[in-house]
Amino acid sequence: NAGVTQTPKFQVLKTGQSMTLQCAQDMNHEYMSWYRQDPGMGLRLIHYSVGAGITDQGEVPNGYNVSRSTTEDFPLRLLSAAPSQTSVYFCASSAFPYEQYFGPGTRLTVT
Amino acid sequence: GIQVEQSPPDLILQEGANSTLRCNFSDSVNNLQWFHQNPWGQLINLFYIPSGTKQNGRLSATTVATERYSLLYISSSQTTDSGVYFCAVEGWDNNDMRFGAGTRLTVKP
Repeated sequence: NAGVTQTPKFQVLKTGQSMTLQCAQDMNHEYMSWYRQDPGMGLRLIHYSVGAGITDQGEVPNGYNVSRSTTEDFPLRLLSAAPSQTSVYFCASSAFPYEQYFGPGTRLTVT
Repeated sequence: GIQVEQSPPDLILQEGANSTLRCNFSDSVNNLQWFHQNPWGQLINLFYIPSGTKQNGRLSATTVATERYSLLYISSSQTTDSGVYFCAVEGWDNNDMRFGAGTRLTVKP
């Protein structure tokens, strides 16, 4: 049971590039979400999904897209990277509305 | 959205001491969780506690939903308790989970 996995662990992008952060869980959880954490701050919700085919915006959705075609996977797409998107990104899943389990995070730097 | 305030922002303890961390929130919630982020960045769920009291070893938590606050108690602290403790809440009208800014705990040997 791997829990929540995220790839890559580290990524450097140039301004304007696009990329996809991968997130997968093997616990058959319905609820999955993406957060960003900036230095010295708590986590802020970007997008979430309550099941396959259903996604919704969180607190800071601009510049990001998501889709949920399967229960297991919830990729996060950066459409045109900006320096303001430099952050650590965490994916989480839960058997809604219970305990959330977090992945190890992806550290993204946009230059 | 719901506002979440945690106090104190920083806490330094000697090993063996007890501590209480507080989380205030601005509206009624159907979900409240406490997390520990260790010095390597990993987030671990401590408690799912929208109301009532729970205990897990040296840690316990109490949420008084009617008064909109939750408390996390750490007894006999150890150096491995160091890190940042986050409170996160979710209101009744959506699935938008909001985190507080955290309490940074340092336990000295």
